[in-house]
Amino acid sequence: EAGVTQFPSHSVIEKGQTVTLRCDPISGHDNLYWYRRVMGKEIKFLLHFVKESKQDESGMPNNRFLAERTGGTYSTLKVQPAELEDSGVYFCASSLFDNEQFFGPGTRLTVL
Amino acid sequence: AQSVTQPDIHITVSEGASLELRCNYSYGATPYLFWYVQSPGQGLQLLLKYFSGDTLVQGIKGFEAEFKRSQSSFNLRKPSVHWSDAAEYFCAVASEYSSASKIIFGSGTRLSIRP
Repeated sequence: EAGVTQFPSHSVIEKGQTVTLRCDPISGHDNLYWYRRVMGKEIKFLLHFVKESKQDESGMPNNRFLAERTGGTYSTLKVQPAELEDSGVYFCASSLFDNEQFFGPGTRLTVL
Repeated sequence: AQSVTQPDIHITVSEGASLELRCNYSYGATPYLFWYVQSPGQGLQLLLKYFSGDTLVQGIKGFEAEFKRSQSSFNLRKPSVHWSDAAEYFCAVASEYSSASKIIFGSGTRLSIRP
């Protein structure tokens, strides 16, 4: 069975541009999470979907970040416009109904 | 508020030596605790978890962790490390295990193995 996949693995953009990250959870997992790790600090929670609904978006840093999960399958995280401090690794995770979350390999975002 | 502290940023041990990575948590109720590992280029892999029962938890790859409520600790141990254990290790806590919720991570401990 395929694990959580994320695309792209790396993205380098200039400040002010837009980037969209994609996450495909494990098939059948209703819960999908986004986390990020900025500048070697701790991994921080961004938001949690249950199917297509946002269950908890308390970790979203500001309104430049927009997450969607249309149809309750894959999710996208758009950053518009990107700022230098958005650089980091963005992780996606999914779980079936409990807190055994399975993580993807992450997308490394560099904003120049 | 929940928090997790990993006091060691970087540890180097010799191959074959024993290992202990420290983790302290702050949480009022019974915590649900995890250790994850991230190898270079890989995602986060769950090593082990604790949510009730025996306070000594066995995980994958020969790792174990012990939950000590009196010390608010959940240290990770391995009796003999292998070169392939070089990675970054994260301790984490969740408010609940049986229902999905966010996980709070420590800042990580990078483990290097000396040949």
